[in-house]
Amino acid sequence: IAGITQAPTSQILAAGRRMTLRCTQDMRHNAMYWYRQDLGLGLRLIHYSNTAGTTGKGEVPDGYSVSRANTDDFPLTLASAVPSQTSVYFCASSGGATGELFFGEGSRLTVL
Amino acid sequence: GQNIDQPTEMTATEGAIVQINCTYQTSGFNGLFWYQQHAGEAPTFLSYNVLDGLEEKGRFSSFLSRSKGYSYLLLKELQMKDSASYLCAVRDSNYQLIWGAGTKLIIKP
Repeated sequence: IAGITQAPTSQILAAGRRMTLRCTQDMRHNAMYWYRQDLGLGLRLIHYSNTAGTTGKGEVPDGYSVSRANTDDFPLTLASAVPSQTSVYFCASSGGATGELFFGEGSRLTVL
Repeated sequence: GQNIDQPTEMTATEGAIVQINCTYQTSGFNGLFWYQQHAGEAPTFLSYNVLDGLEEKGRFSSFLSRSKGYSYLLLKELQMKDSASYLCAVRDSNYQLIWGAGTKLIIKP
């Protein structure tokens, strides 16, 4: 059972470069999310999608964009990376009886 | 504004019991979650409370008081593998999750 797969797991990126973090789920969940996690801070929502074809902005959307062409895939794009976007990025989907989140293994991004 | 408060760090001894508290102020309430996150790994779901009271799941229990905006996670018979961060999250009236910064639990032999 794969659950949620993220790629790459780790990346070092020069400032100004474009980067897409990939996220794929095989649980057929409608809702998907992108979070960033920084030391000392809680998980912060970047963008979300309640169902294929729709997306919404979270708490910290600036500098990021997403698309949801189908149920399984939810890529996150940094159009022009900046050092403040250095973080660990988690993709998640929600399902189950309580609507709990299932997380991918994370993508560690360093912008120099 | 919406806020979740939990202690930054706690230390406990192997075999003992520890209680991790979480207080919240949110726009509405549609459930409270606890997640466990080992260093360098993704968060994993531990428990869910939507009604007042205690939910028990093996060595872990979670308590909720909606009138007090308060929850705790109780870990019994602590094992070294319980060393992790524990994240409290509340689902608000818009069904968005508000996250606490997490409590790092250190278990000593």
